[in-house]
Amino acid sequence: GQQLNQSPQSMFIQEGEDVSMNCTSSSIFNTWLWYKQDPGEGPVLLIALYKAGELTSNGRLTAQFGITRKDSFLNISASIPSDVGIYFCAGQLSGGGADGLTFGKGTHLIIQP
Amino acid sequence: DAGVIQSPRHEVTEMGQEVTLRCKPISGHNSLFWYRQTMMRGLELLIYFNNNVPIDDSGMPEDRFSAKMPNASFSTLKIQPSEPRDSAVYFCASSFSGVPGYTFGSGTRLTVV
Repeated sequence: GQQLNQSPQSMFIQEGEDVSMNCTSSSIFNTWLWYKQDPGEGPVLLIALYKAGELTSNGRLTAQFGITRKDSFLNISASIPSDVGIYFCAGQLSGGGADGLTFGKGTHLIIQP
Repeated sequence: DAGVIQSPRHEVTEMGQEVTLRCKPISGHNSLFWYRQTMMRGLELLIYFNNNVPIDDSGMPEDRFSAKMPNASFSTLKIQPSEPRDSAVYFCASSFSGVPGYTFGSGTRLTVV
């Protein structure tokens, strides 16, 4: 089946630093998504990418859909304490919401005071 | 909108007992997904429905697991009999076809002792 390799597994950074994480796949996806999960809650969608090569920003977050359709990255600029959480990449075969997502194992972001 | 509503939030049960998890999707969404999250395996898709019809249940671990969606506003995931290895957080999510990604509920934390 499809597998997503997400790295790094965890990051320990200082407040104000930039963060970068990425995801690679053995298969092609037509949609890439990035989610964030806070403790005790379900994942929340941050950014959705629809086209190979697409670069999309949402505030301090920037994500790109790789040209090969097998990878994506997420950058967070000037990290703040509320950025702490687990970030997941996810790939979807269709462009809509009608089929399942394959998730990476997550990147734990920890911000040291 | 209240979002995706799951109940109960926490469930502790003894091995061998039947467990039923419940989900109310967002009104108007026509796809519903059940995921399981563990530290070891991350987020795994168990089953999903489109327009109340099960489309892919290949992620259901064993015959002990079953899911139903009797109408557009309600779904259940049942485990009978439950085993300690079923302990995990179970998430329900819903979406509307044509819109990528989906909205997750807050999850049910199941502990089987």
